[in-house]
Amino acid sequence: IVMTQSPPSLAVSPGARATLSCRASQAISRNLAWYQQRPGQAPRLLIYAASTRATDIPARFSGSGSGTEFTLTITSLQPEDFALYYCQQYNGWPLTFGQGTRLEI
Amino acid sequence: VQVVESGGGVVPPGKSLRLSCSPFGFDLDTFGFHWVRQAPGMGLEWVAFVRYDGALKKYADSVKGRFTVSRDESKNTTYLHMSSLRPEDTAVYYCARGLWFGESHFDYWGQGTLVTVSS
Repeated sequence: IVMTQSPPSLAVSPGARATLSCRASQAISRNLAWYQQRPGQAPRLLIYAASTRATDIPARFSGSGSGTEFTLTITSLQPEDFALYYCQQYNGWPLTFGQGTRLEI
Repeated sequence: VQVVESGGGVVPPGKSLRLSCSPFGFDLDTFGFHWVRQAPGMGLEWVAFVRYDGALKKYADSVKGRFTVSRDESKNTTYLHMSSLRPEDTAVYYCARGLWFGESHFDYWGQGTLVTVSS
């Protein structure tokens, strides 16, 4: 299953809203996760099951979608939110990631 | 709760290396473990999975036949045995915790260990 993220990079002002997209090449139900990766750090789980926030993830992060189209929305962008974001499907083997969206100031 | 990897280093092409992954704050036999790698400046690539009981193992096509996952309950450690290494295997390798049965998201990640395949 090929995961395609758009856009590859997104420039947004602090305090604004960012919308990141992820498309699956075939239906994956809601078996989708989102991760954040800051420079030099391991990825961190943000969202699983398309819309469930992981432990300790702020409410400004939200996920939506099902089937083939998914969205990660970040409201009131904070300085620490500017990072790389990846989607990942776990509907079938092999597990696959999107190529990432870089969120820039 | 955390996951700690070790074992990375510089290895010539064609040689082998073994990475280790140990859980802290939870038991090896209640979760599945995945290996995910990230080549320099590139995205994330899932590599391998071992189920909580060791009875199910899955591999990416890019490593099938060369990499093997295993687990040692007595040491509370899971391993990624890498053989016939190629320059394109150069990456940071992350161990990540998944759900016990198989396909899942990864809720805890290690800090990563760098493997460099070079002569």
